Amino acid sequence: DAGVTQSPTHLIKTRGQQVTLRCSPKSGHDTVSWYQQALGQGPQFIFQYYEEEERQRGNFPDRFSGHQFPNYSSELNVNALLLGDSALYLCASSLDNQLWGYTFGSGTRLTVV
Amino acid sequence: DAKTTQPPSMDCAEGRAANLPCNHSTISGNEYVYWYRQIHSQGPQYIIHGLKNNETNEMASLIITEDRKSSTLILPHATLRDTAVYYCIVSSNNAGNMLTFGGGTRLMVKP
Repeated sequence: DAGVTQSPTHLIKTRGQQVTLRCSPKSGHDTVSWYQQALGQGPQFIFQYYEEEERQRGNFPDRFSGHQFPNYSSELNVNALLLGDSALYLCASSLDNQLWGYTFGSGTRLTVV
Repeated sequence: DAKTTQPPSMDCAEGRAANLPCNHSTISGNEYVYWYRQIHSQGPQYIIHGLKNNETNEMASLIITEDRKSSTLILPHATLRDTAVYYCIVSSNNAGNMLTFGGGTRLMVKP
């Protein structure tokens, strides 16, 4: 049973560009949460998707947007990239809101130059 | 959600018990204590959670004080593979809640 799959694993973008990160949740999970983790810090919550709707959002600007598809997979889009957006982006899936059941992917390492 | 306080780092000898403390003095009655860990270059991994009673699973034990203001995660026989950052999180299970990570404790298991 595959866990959470994220793609790509690494990418490099230039300031001002746009990026799309993808996440396939664990089989049986219907909720996807996205986190940003800067070097040396804990993951910071970006937003959560459930039933194709954004259910909760953390303290991130509108440049960060997302989408959830009918098959529960999800995308994270970041527009007008800044150097400070360089981080590890983690996707976590769960069954509704079972906080003990979060399964995280290994993340996408984004570098903005 | 209540905040937690953890020591930034700890060392433990291989084979010995690792006891990781967490303070959550403002925890509410319906909030659980969750522990996750993050091994280098991987996403966080669920370890254990509890409300009031002590809990044990194949990975660890969770001891919660009677007043629920603090807890301790115990890895009974630490191995080198247990070297990771350990996060203590408190949250209720209300719809839409999420895991809010702090800085965690960096546990170094040494030979």
